[in-house]
Amino acid sequence: GENVEQHPSTLSVQEGDSAVIKCTYSDSASNYFPWYKQELGKGPQLIIDIRSNVGEKKDQRIAVTLNKTAKHFSLHITETQPEDSAVYFCAANTGGFKTIFGAGTRLFVKA
Amino acid sequence: EADIYQTPRYLVIGTGKKITLECSQTMGHDKMYWYQQDPGMELHLIHYSYGVNSTEKGDLSSESTVSRIRTEHFPLTLESARPSHTSQYLCASSRTGDYGYTFGSGTRLTVV
Repeated sequence: GENVEQHPSTLSVQEGDSAVIKCTYSDSASNYFPWYKQELGKGPQLIIDIRSNVGEKKDQRIAVTLNKTAKHFSLHITETQPEDSAVYFCAANTGGFKTIFGAGTRLFVKA
Repeated sequence: EADIYQTPRYLVIGTGKKITLECSQTMGHDKMYWYQQDPGMELHLIHYSYGVNSTEKGDLSSESTVSRIRTEHFPLTLESARPSHTSQYLCASSRTGDYGYTFGSGTRLTVV
């Protein structure tokens, strides 16, 4: 069935370094790829998204890339700060109802 | 301010009790969802709704039920709570044509 695999499950970086989280999706009909950040005690929050007609999108220190041929998409966070510490979820949507979430990545940014 | 609200934030309840978790949104979103989040943080869809009087079961089997009588309100009910229902429950909403979700802050349920 439809599946989104997310790696790594845990990522620890030094403050100021970059962090990269990778996802792979199975449904070739997927055309919308959001990323969510979940801080402790809160619900996930949409931080950036990309549609299938775009290869890359940036918003300040975060960027997403999409390789439709390989069915890969990635989240890049540059100049990480302690407040970036959270759980990050990737997801894929076919344009209809269903959004498939990855299993999440716990990011720790060490000061 | 447009938002999505879940109450209560925390709930400890005895086995066999009936409970309702509340979810309301002020954004006029037609689609609403309930997710169960396990300790490993994975999100499991348990119910969803396309609009008023529309409800469907999600991927994860759940003993809960939902209703959608008003666009803004999507409560989840457990008729008889069990310890296996202990979890974090997240409500979300989205607008048709816009696939990003807005999540509530969640209800952490503990059944003792």
